[in-house]
Amino acid sequence: DAMVIQNPRYQVTQFGKPVTLSCSQTLNHNVMYWYQQKSSQAPKLLFHYYDKDFNNEADTPDNFQSRRPNTSFCFLDIRSPGLGDTAMYLCATASGDYVVGSSGYTFGSGTRLTVV
Amino acid sequence: AQTVTQSQPEMSVQEAETVTLSCTYDTSESDYYLFWYKQPPSRQMILVIRQEAYKQQNATENRFSVNFQKAAKSFSLKISDSQLGDAAMYFCAYRSNNNDMRFGAGTRLTVKP
Repeated sequence: DAMVIQNPRYQVTQFGKPVTLSCSQTLNHNVMYWYQQKSSQAPKLLFHYYDKDFNNEADTPDNFQSRRPNTSFCFLDIRSPGLGDTAMYLCATASGDYVVGSSGYTFGSGTRLTVV
Repeated sequence: AQTVTQSQPEMSVQEAETVTLSCTYDTSESDYYLFWYKQPPSRQMILVIRQEAYKQQNATENRFSVNFQKAAKSFSLKISDSQLGDAAMYFCAYRSNNNDMRFGAGTRLTVKP
């Protein structure tokens, strides 16, 4: 089945130790998103890729970076995680065709990151 | 920027009864999409229902329906014949034509047996 897969499901990292979260998709969607969701809060958009074009949200900390080497994969790099970065990180994909994309996003199961 | 507001942090409903979750949004766009997502404790976001802004007819998916009032910028979700499996966080979301999707703060729905 076509889907969005996030690895790992759970990640524990030490304060200040770089960590990378991965997302892959088999939907051939050209838009991929990273959201941060803290406990009992709405998902907050960090950035998204439209094909290879990177779009950063204005309030996304510089500590957060992303890479998209090809259509299928997208990575979230946190260069120096702080305790406040403990959260669920959600990857989502969508068709860039606005009409076709009316079906909404397809989400992965998320990576729960804990910074200790 | 568009904003999405869900004014009910928590709601509860008796099993088999009907509940309505509220959502309002702010936008200057005329063309957009609105969604309701469900997030159960397993945390995967699941699309419940969607509405195209240019359609006046309210969307319906089985027990789920919306009341879309474009002029009032209101998009409420009605769940009929509530089931225990409906218990979850519900997020209202707005997708603009620049591909961004914005979420409301969510409503936690409890279903009482």
